[in-house]
Amino acid sequence: GAGVSQSPSNKVTEKGKDVELRCDPISGHTALYWYRQSLGQGLEFLIYFQGNSAPDKSGLPSDRFSAERTGGSVSTLTIQRTQQEDSAVYLCASSSRVQGGRDTQYFGPGTRLTVL
Amino acid sequence: AQSVTQPDIHITVSEGASLELRCNYSYGATPYLFWYVQSPGQGLQLLLKYFSGDTLVQGIKGFEAEFKRSQSSFNLRKPSVHWSDAAEYFCAVTSGTYKYIFGTGTRLKVLA
Repeated sequence: GAGVSQSPSNKVTEKGKDVELRCDPISGHTALYWYRQSLGQGLEFLIYFQGNSAPDKSGLPSDRFSAERTGGSVSTLTIQRTQQEDSAVYLCASSSRVQGGRDTQYFGPGTRLTVL
Repeated sequence: AQSVTQPDIHITVSEGASLELRCNYSYGATPYLFWYVQSPGQGLQLLLKYFSGDTLVQGIKGFEAEFKRSQSSFNLRKPSVHWSDAAEYFCAVTSGTYKYIFGTGTRLKVLA
């Protein structure tokens, strides 16, 4: 079946502009995650959505970052007033939350964001 | 605090040679462990995972990993590397919550 998709694949923007990154999870997956991958770094957790529960936003680095998930499916990560340090690959993942936590996250191809 | 260490930032092997990528974790509870591979410009693809049971886990693309509780390790192995295995490899751990802890990755280069 279809995997996790993300758009755009690449985004170049000027410092101070707002950007929106989109994630379409695997159909039926109730959990959705956003990560940031900076050059030479591991994956940094940003935010987690599970069904209709309040999202875990504990990883968002500043109030310039926000995310929504509409209808329990598509998610949008918004970065306002972008800064050069926001340049990174933003990865989305989804999973079907299995009881006991034995779920597996499936990743999209990512959006490479470059802030000039 | 929970952590995952991949001590090797870069590894270079010749095509056909064996491969072992190291992963050590620091965790109080029984961990759930994963290996992912990321090819250039791509997202992460799951290679294999360990939840319980047999400590030697088989994955896709001929990879395997062994969970050693006494050494807090989950090393990834492949008996014969192919040029297409050149990529970055990430180890991850969770206690069964949604929060994965990822290592910083090991970049594999394969010499022809």
